[in-house]
Amino acid sequence: EVQLLESGGDLIQPGGSLRLSCAASGFTFSHYAMTWVRQVPGRGLEWVSLITGSGDSTYYTESVKGRFTISRDNFKNTLYLQMNGLSAEDTAVYYCVKGTVGAVAGDCWGQGTLVTVSS
Amino acid sequence: EIVLTQSPGTLSLSPGERVTLSCRASQSVSSSYLAWYQLKPGQAPRLLVYGVSTRATGIPDRFSGSGFGTDFTLTISRLEPEDFAVYYCQQYGSSPPAWTFGQGTKVEIK
Repeated sequence: EVQLLESGGDLIQPGGSLRLSCAASGFTFSHYAMTWVRQVPGRGLEWVSLITGSGDSTYYTESVKGRFTISRDNFKNTLYLQMNGLSAEDTAVYYCVKGTVGAVAGDCWGQGTLVTVSS
Repeated sequence: EIVLTQSPGTLSLSPGERVTLSCRASQSVSSSYLAWYQLKPGQAPRLLVYGVSTRATGIPDRFSGSGFGTDFTLTISRLEPEDFAVYYCQQYGSSPPAWTFGQGTKVEIK
């Protein structure tokens, strides 16, 4: 059974940094692209970032470029999101998502971890 | 950037009814790159349909997707109590890779 377990969400002050982790199991982690998707409470879904299976290529939505870094450790089967320069607009539930073949959709989602940016 | 517009925003329906959800794209979307998800409070989002019309593993056949070009539809043939949720469409852009979501349609109990 595919499982994704996020951790690292917290209450953080504006300008602060946070690292999210996602422990994956039940599939060959290195074979699949992974993404982070966030949902502002009461609002819709927003794609944040994607990393290829090998980790060689990464992509970001415009609003997080230069502030967030996606990475993965294929030996530990873990996905990361390093978030720097956080602002209130980054407050959201962050989901770790396993990509389908070709990463055209997400076929398994974690339960999410809440990041709250507030003073 | 392709914008996805879902309609209606909210549907109030009774169990047993047929549901049709719309997702319209601002530009043509490849048929391989359109998906639908179901979100319920406190649960992980669930992929329902990908590639416009292919049901994901374990998804009941009352869910079906269709469409082409800029107009796509998710149909629930007969609403079950567990189907009351928010539904999102999503498209994949390849240059560079990125996902775009619609704003969602809430299906609520009438």
